Amino acid sequence: DGGITQSPKYLFRKEGQNVTLSCEQNLNHDAMYWYRQDPGQGLRLIYYSQIVNDFQKGDIAEGYSVSREKKESFPLTVTSAQKNPTAFYLCASSKAGGTSEQETQYFGPGTRLLVL
Amino acid sequence: AQTVTQSQPEMSVQEAETVTLSCTYDTSESDYYLFWYKQPPSRQMILVIRQEAYKQQNATENRFSVNFQKAAKSFSLKISDSQLGDAAMYFCAYKYSWGATNKLIFGTGTLLAVQP
Repeated sequence: DGGITQSPKYLFRKEGQNVTLSCEQNLNHDAMYWYRQDPGQGLRLIYYSQIVNDFQKGDIAEGYSVSREKKESFPLTVTSAQKNPTAFYLCASSKAGGTSEQETQYFGPGTRLLVL
Repeated sequence: AQTVTQSQPEMSVQEAETVTLSCTYDTSESDYYLFWYKQPPSRQMILVIRQEAYKQQNATENRFSVNFQKAAKSFSLKISDSQLGDAAMYFCAYKYSWGATNKLIFGTGTLLAVQP
C-alpha cells in the first residue's frame, strides 16, 4: 500500500538535545512538507522541498533543519535552538503540477514531541 | 496576507442529521484551491473534499458537499446523514502559489461531536 510513514510516534527531548523526526513516502511524490500543530491552532509550515537536494523555509523555520537526499525521505531535526518544541509534527507530500489532484497534500500519522 | 477563518470552535449534530461547518477566507487571488481535512482522535489529517476556485460547480464526495461562494469568499462543508465516525476536528485550508511552493493555510478548526 502506498502512503506516508512517520516515526517515532512519540519522541522525548532533553534540554539542549537535537532530535530527528523521520518521514518516508512511497507515493512517488515530488514535494514534501513539515507542519507543526499546537493546541487550538491549525497547522503551520516549517519547511518544504519540491525536489531532491533542495528545500525552502516555511513560516516557522527557526530552530529546525531538514535534508532531502532521497525523493522518498524528508527528515526533520529539531535543534536545541528551538525553545518551545513541544507540539505535534505532521509530514505531508504531494505531486508536482497544476491539477487539483497534484495540488492536494496527503499527510502522515504524525509525531508527538515532548520536552523532558 | 491570506487568512482562513473558522468561526465555530465546536459543533454538535445528532446521528443521521445534517450539519454545516463554516469557513471564510481572505485572498486577492482569483485562482486557488480550497480543502476540508478531517482530524480524528488518531490525529492523522485526512482529506475530505477539495474545490477548485475556477469551477462554479460545488464539489461533492458521497455524504460530504461544499457550498462555495467565491464572491463572498465562503467555503462551507455540509455533512449529510451524520455518522458516529464523523466525529473529529475539521480544518478548512486554502492553497496559494508562493513562488513554486504548494503552501496550505489552515483555519483553527471546528470540533464536531456526533450524538447517538
